[in-house]
Amino acid sequence: DAGVIQSPRHEVTEMGQEVTLRCKPISGHNSLFWYRQTMMRGLELLIYFNNNVPIDDSGMPEDRFSAKMPNASFSTLKIQPSEPRDSAVYFCASSLGVTNEKLFFGSGTQLSVL
Amino acid sequence: AQSVTQPDIHITVSEGASLELRCNYSYGATPYLFWYVQSPGQGLQLLLKYFSGDTLVQGIKGFEAEFKRSQSSFNLRKPSVHWSDAAEYFCAVGGGSGTYKYIFGTGTRLKVLA
Repeated sequence: DAGVIQSPRHEVTEMGQEVTLRCKPISGHNSLFWYRQTMMRGLELLIYFNNNVPIDDSGMPEDRFSAKMPNASFSTLKIQPSEPRDSAVYFCASSLGVTNEKLFFGSGTQLSVL
Repeated sequence: AQSVTQPDIHITVSEGASLELRCNYSYGATPYLFWYVQSPGQGLQLLLKYFSGDTLVQGIKGFEAEFKRSQSSFNLRKPSVHWSDAAEYFCAVGGGSGTYKYIFGTGTRLKVLA
């Protein structure tokens, strides 16, 4: 089992550019989460998918952020246009069940927007 | 309001010494409690979880945690710390059937002195 795979590991971009973060959850997991980690705010849930359907996107900070899960093995988080305040570590996590299940985290994408 | 508090931002202990990391929560329903560890450049890994039953739970890597409802606490302990335990530790709370949102604490960074 390869675990949750995220790419890229690091992304440096300029303000105004589009950024796409990618995630491959663990096979068989039906819940997928995108989190953002910053020093100031800690870990924040951005969006939650269950069976590829977005269930809760209330944590998405602005319309500049969007997420998709076209199939059970792939999800993207897109920021367009990016801003310096979007700089953070973005984690994808998956779990087997719907509630109170162990979360498996990817290694994260360190995003720096200059 | 639901919250998780980790009062210690940084803790430094000598290798071989005992460790206790504090976690207090505020949660309206019966809490489901977790401790995660994050090594540098890595995602979070589950150490242990408490759902019900015995209030002292054992986890991986020799860690244990005790749920104390009267004190709204779920402190993490280890009798003898190893240098490889240096990492950041997160307490999290979720709750009940149908809940997928986990509230994470802001983390405690552990430094181990040789």
